[in-house]
Amino acid sequence: AQSVTQLGSHVSVSEGALVLLRCNYSSSVPPYLFWYVQYPNQGLQLLLKYTSAATLVKGINGFEAEFKKSETSFHLTKPSAHMSDAAEYFCAVRYYRDDKIIFGKGTRLHILP
Amino acid sequence: EAGVTQFPSHSVIEKGQTVTLRCDPISGHDNLYWYRRVMGKEIKFLLHFVKESKQDESGMPNNRFLAERTGGTYSTLKVQPAELEDSGVYFCASSQDGTSGAGELFFGEGSRLTVL
Repeated sequence: AQSVTQLGSHVSVSEGALVLLRCNYSSSVPPYLFWYVQYPNQGLQLLLKYTSAATLVKGINGFEAEFKKSETSFHLTKPSAHMSDAAEYFCAVRYYRDDKIIFGKGTRLHILP
Repeated sequence: EAGVTQFPSHSVIEKGQTVTLRCDPISGHDNLYWYRRVMGKEIKFLLHFVKESKQDESGMPNNRFLAERTGGTYSTLKVQPAELEDSGVYFCASSQDGTSGAGELFFGEGSRLTVL
């Protein structure tokens, strides 16, 4: 079955440190890939999306993600964490000829002062 | 421009009761989606409307769930009768072009349902 896996339900990083949130998808055909963020008491907001135009995708708030076909991965990174980055992050995928987006289980990011 | 709005934000009901959740998509968005997140699990697709038609309802758990989108504007999701396992957060999302071409989904803040 097609799926998306996020490694780590909770990740803690110190303020100013590198943020790395992992996402792997299962497919032999590169899909469309997304990262969404949910801040407390808010809806899901799109951070960035991969649409095959470029393997390195830049998003909002300094986040970026790199599509690696050989590793079937789409990890999210940010060079320097800020306290305001504390939220839950969801990797999501849409496969060709399918209208629905499939989400991972989410990773809650904690920022340590 | 108003975003996707959902009502109620939180509903607490007893097992066997009925609850109706409402979603108002962004004006002009033909595509409307319902998703659900049960505690600690992934956000799961329930169904997809294109205007007033159900395009895909493969994620609906069972026949206790009924979704409608009369007139192709707002949508309702009714759970009748509610069971304990129906507890979770129900998200609504809309988009202008569907997800073809990796169109973005705009999400509401969700309706939290607690069944006691």
